[in-house]
Amino acid sequence: NAGVTQTPKFRILKIGQSMTLQCAQDMNHNYMYWYRQDPGMGLKLIYYSVGAGITDKGEVPNGYNVSRSTTEDFPLRLELAAPSQTSVYFCASSQETSGPNEQFFGPGTRLTVL
Amino acid sequence: KNQVEQSPQSLIILEGKNCTLQCNYTVSPFSNLRWYKQDTGRGPVSLTIMTFSENTKSNGRYTATLDADTKQSSLHITASQLSDSASYICVVSLPSGGSYIPTFGRGTSLIVHP
Repeated sequence: NAGVTQTPKFRILKIGQSMTLQCAQDMNHNYMYWYRQDPGMGLKLIYYSVGAGITDKGEVPNGYNVSRSTTEDFPLRLELAAPSQTSVYFCASSQETSGPNEQFFGPGTRLTVL
Repeated sequence: KNQVEQSPQSLIILEGKNCTLQCNYTVSPFSNLRWYKQDTGRGPVSLTIMTFSENTKSNGRYTATLDADTKQSSLHITASQLSDSASYICVVSLPSGGSYIPTFGRGTSLIVHP
């Protein structure tokens, strides 16, 4: 199993550009998550999905959009990039959310908006 | 105020020494409490997962404890190694709309010196 994969690893955007961060998991997990991590800060939840076709906002959703057309894929879309979106983005997945349930993380995408 | 507070913010110890990291949370009920290790430039990796009814959980040299009465958890690292240098993150899964959403602390940065 590859686990959770993310592409690209690094990206530099100009203000106003758009891009999609890709995330895929091969563990047949129902739940998928997008987080951002700013220097010295904890991970902040952007969006999450409880299954194909179902998404919901997390703590910091503004400026982002997501879709979940399949169980495996959960792309994150930035429509009009802003310097405040410079961060490291992590995708994660889990089978459930309750009980002794483990979250698996991807390697991250480091995004810089100039 | 962050719902999950960790202390200390950073810690430097000598190789072979023990250390204890603290996590205080302000809300309940919760589904589970986890400790993650995050190496620089990598995604978090799960160390221990405890449900609200568990008091302790070990994973090799890592032992996590949970006191639901005082809403505190600790992570004890025994006989530290250079490879233990990383950020250690406490995560509490809180109820939200029928699911449990992970809430992350800011982490404790541990540096182990030879």
